[in-house]
Amino acid sequence: EAGVVQSPRYKIIEKKQPVAFWCNPISGHNTLYWYRQNLGQGPELLIRYENEEAVDDSQLPKDRFSAERLKGVDSTLKIQPAELGDSAVYLCASSSRGGVGTEAFFGQGTRLTVV
Amino acid sequence: AQKVTQAQTEISVVEKEDVTLDCVYETRDTTYYLFWYKQPPSGELVFLIRRNSFDEQNEISGRYSWNFQKSTSSFNFTITASQVVDSAVYFCALSGNNAGNMLTFGGGTRLMVKP
Repeated sequence: EAGVVQSPRYKIIEKKQPVAFWCNPISGHNTLYWYRQNLGQGPELLIRYENEEAVDDSQLPKDRFSAERLKGVDSTLKIQPAELGDSAVYLCASSSRGGVGTEAFFGQGTRLTVV
Repeated sequence: AQKVTQAQTEISVVEKEDVTLDCVYETRDTTYYLFWYKQPPSGELVFLIRRNSFDEQNEISGRYSWNFQKSTSSFNFTITASQVVDSAVYFCALSGNNAGNMLTFGGGTRLMVKP
């Protein structure tokens, strides 16, 4: 079974430029998460989707970040414009359901460097 | 609010030594789950174990064992006879019934196993 696939693996952009990350979850997984992991820290949730619906986006900086999950499968996370502080690894994860205690499977992440 | 503390930021051991990674958590939820994930240099988070708050039985899986003590709000992870391949960053995480399935991660412990 294929795992969570993310692309690109690495991205270097200049500040104020836009950037987008793509995630393909495990087939059949209804719940999809985007996490941000700063260097030397644990991941922090940005947004959670149940199918197409964003059910928890309280941690998403909505002035510059946006996300979508069309048709309840793939998802895209966008930053526009990027700032130096956005440099981090962006992790996508999926689970079969959204209930508490459900094991989440993570992709390898996209490492973003803003210069 | 939920909080997970991993006081050990970095541990270095020699191969075949036993090592224990500490995890202390805070939550007001009566039902919650605790997790351990491994993050190798490739970047993806690999699920290791999940325990619910009502099951305090210790668990052993090969060289891995986990000690859950509700009285001290701890969920420690021991690797017996460590191997070089165990070198990674290990994260403890918590999700509570009042936080959906949002995983709150600790800061991680970097384990280096030297030959």
